[in-house]
Amino acid sequence: EPEVTQTPSHQVTQMGQEVILRCVPISNHLYFYWYRQILGQKVEFLVSFYNNEISEKSEIFDDQFSVERPDGSNFTLKIRSTKLEDSAMYFCASSDYSLQETQYFGPGTRLLVL
Amino acid sequence: AQKVTQAQTEISVVEKEDVTLDCVYETRDTTYYLFWYKQPPSGELVFLIRRNSFDEQNEISGRYSWNFQKSTSSFNFTITASQVVDSAVYFCALSEPASGTYKYIFGTGTRLKVLA
Repeated sequence: EPEVTQTPSHQVTQMGQEVILRCVPISNHLYFYWYRQILGQKVEFLVSFYNNEISEKSEIFDDQFSVERPDGSNFTLKIRSTKLEDSAMYFCASSDYSLQETQYFGPGTRLLVL
Repeated sequence: AQKVTQAQTEISVVEKEDVTLDCVYETRDTTYYLFWYKQPPSGELVFLIRRNSFDEQNEISGRYSWNFQKSTSSFNFTITASQVVDSAVYFCALSEPASGTYKYIFGTGTRLKVLA
């Protein structure tokens, strides 16, 4: 069964460094999402992406964040200058046109900012 | 505005007990989708069920069952004869197509501990 993959599974970085989290959505999916989960808290929507542009973003998704689909398979989340409070699990998800309400989640990238 | 409330922060039960996890949602739309996810200690989100607003039939899947009641805006989840492997955090989520993007709004989760 096709699945969403994310790399790396864990990343440790220093405050102020840039990080890029990578996701490979399911191949025929058109809608892409990033969510964040701070340790012990709920999963929060960050951004949705369709047709090579952001379709919606939350207030969390400030100028430090950007998303990109650099080729036909990858979907990336970049944090330009990480802060301690960016430490969280980041989930990528994708859905297809006919079943937009059903998002398939990747296993997550656990980011730790020191 | 969309909102999902899981009032139970943590529940502890003894193995083989039945347990119900509550989920109450708020939406202004007539079309919406509700979900339950399990998050084991390893951290991934495991899909359990999707329910659309037009289907109020209760569902049973093995030891799991779901009770959807639009009149009370609730979508509760019951585990029958709980097992230690059921120990996890369970999230309820809501999605509204009218929002344009089908983004998920999650509740704060309920941590279930099943003791042997």
